[in-house]
Amino acid sequence: DTAVSQTPKYLVTQMGNDKSIKCEQNLGHDTMYWYKQDSKKFLKIMFSYNNKELIINETVPNRFSPKSPDKAHLNLHINSLELGDSAVYFCASSQGRLRAKNIQYFGAGTRLSVL
Amino acid sequence: AQKVTQAQTEISVVEKEDVTLDCVYETRDTTYYLFWYKQPPSGELVFLIRRNSFDEQNEISGRYSWNFQKSTSSFNFTITASQVVDSAVYFCALSGRNSGGYQKVTFGTGTKLQVIP
Repeated sequence: DTAVSQTPKYLVTQMGNDKSIKCEQNLGHDTMYWYKQDSKKFLKIMFSYNNKELIINETVPNRFSPKSPDKAHLNLHINSLELGDSAVYFCASSQGRLRAKNIQYFGAGTRLSVL
Repeated sequence: AQKVTQAQTEISVVEKEDVTLDCVYETRDTTYYLFWYKQPPSGELVFLIRRNSFDEQNEISGRYSWNFQKSTSSFNFTITASQVVDSAVYFCALSGRNSGGYQKVTFGTGTKLQVIP
């Protein structure tokens, strides 16, 4: 069983469209994250949720809206897609929100291409 | 503020050579953790190792070894007798706590390792 699974793996869409990426973890973790990896492989945190509560919200356009229906799921909805949104989006999870020692486990990534 | 520097953008070695990937970090925290992740060509991010700031013992796991030196703020990763399967992008990461008290992980820009058969 995949520990952190994201769907879809690839997403190709036109500028201006709205799209969602789903993430689910079966590790029993209570904290989940969204990261963006750009074309130069730079990984940057976007959001973090702990038990459905938003705890980290980096400087991300408000076209991006995360939603956590329960602690095992964290979805990412993107409105009015722009060319600059093209990237690989990674979901991750960890147990606990306060400890620097927590290991984050990553999904396989969703490659978003905006045309 | 946290910062992780991986100065080596790309490294190529011939199979069976040893290779060291450098990682230098900056933090004001007294307690922090350091990680290495591997991203093979298939794209997923795989956790390799975690080290805490109070434990400077070197660690060896098979062909992999890690050298943590607090005095130079470095956490270097050595692969002995490299293999083609080691070809990947390797990320060093620093974990501390942000102003809100939550875990915050900062990744380096990665080092792409190519092992040539």
